[in-house]
Amino acid sequence: GAGVSQSPSNKVTEKGKDVELRCDPISGHTALYWYRQSLGQGLEFLIYFQGNSAPDKSGLPSDRFSAERTGGSVSTLTIQRTQQEDSAVYLCASSLAGRTGGKVNTEAFFGQGTRLTVV
Amino acid sequence: AQSVAQPEDQVNVAEGNPLTVKCTYSVSGNPYLFWYVQYPNRGLQFLLKYITGDNLVKGSYGFEAEFNKSQTSFHLKKPSALVSDSALYFCAVSGGYQKVTFGTGTKLQVIP
Repeated sequence: GAGVSQSPSNKVTEKGKDVELRCDPISGHTALYWYRQSLGQGLEFLIYFQGNSAPDKSGLPSDRFSAERTGGSVSTLTIQRTQQEDSAVYLCASSLAGRTGGKVNTEAFFGQGTRLTVV
Repeated sequence: AQSVAQPEDQVNVAEGNPLTVKCTYSVSGNPYLFWYVQYPNRGLQFLLKYITGDNLVKGSYGFEAEFNKSQTSFHLKKPSALVSDSALYFCAVSGGYQKVTFGTGTKLQVIP
């Protein structure tokens, strides 16, 4: 697609329920990131996928959080047994992470995010 | 490990005055450096990048950034600030084709 697509755009869930957030990266992008952003705050790194390498999960805040990337494309972030402190905007980004046509293209392009509210 | 520091949580500048948003970095090898902007209730937008070549990089909306290797800095600048420039600005770095690491962000407030 033309850009990074995230769904749903908004999600309200009850405390204790599981949620799945989806990210469709830009076609051909090998790198994919998940971040979390609380209202007006900075970016909290969650997880990074790059090609077929093992993902960098160092930012996941607890074992309730997990993510997978199927076929090197679509990614799903799953939060189990949601808590109120999980409420935030979850941002996905993708990057070519390489060189095309002699130019380096490593900048990340972000989706519009999923606003998660746990009540 | 690579890192980015944005020492100012907020920068206030009068409309029409020049603005600078500071960024310093730490990375192994040659850095790839980026600036992003996030307008209220919007996603992050890519502004500009430094890969190699001229130390002064020009980007969108009249912004530019200066790469200074000796000071490991990549400050964002604009000659004349607009009220519409008010937003959250993020600096980012990667060492080659590695994971991009973002700073904590600087809120820019342009005062009419």
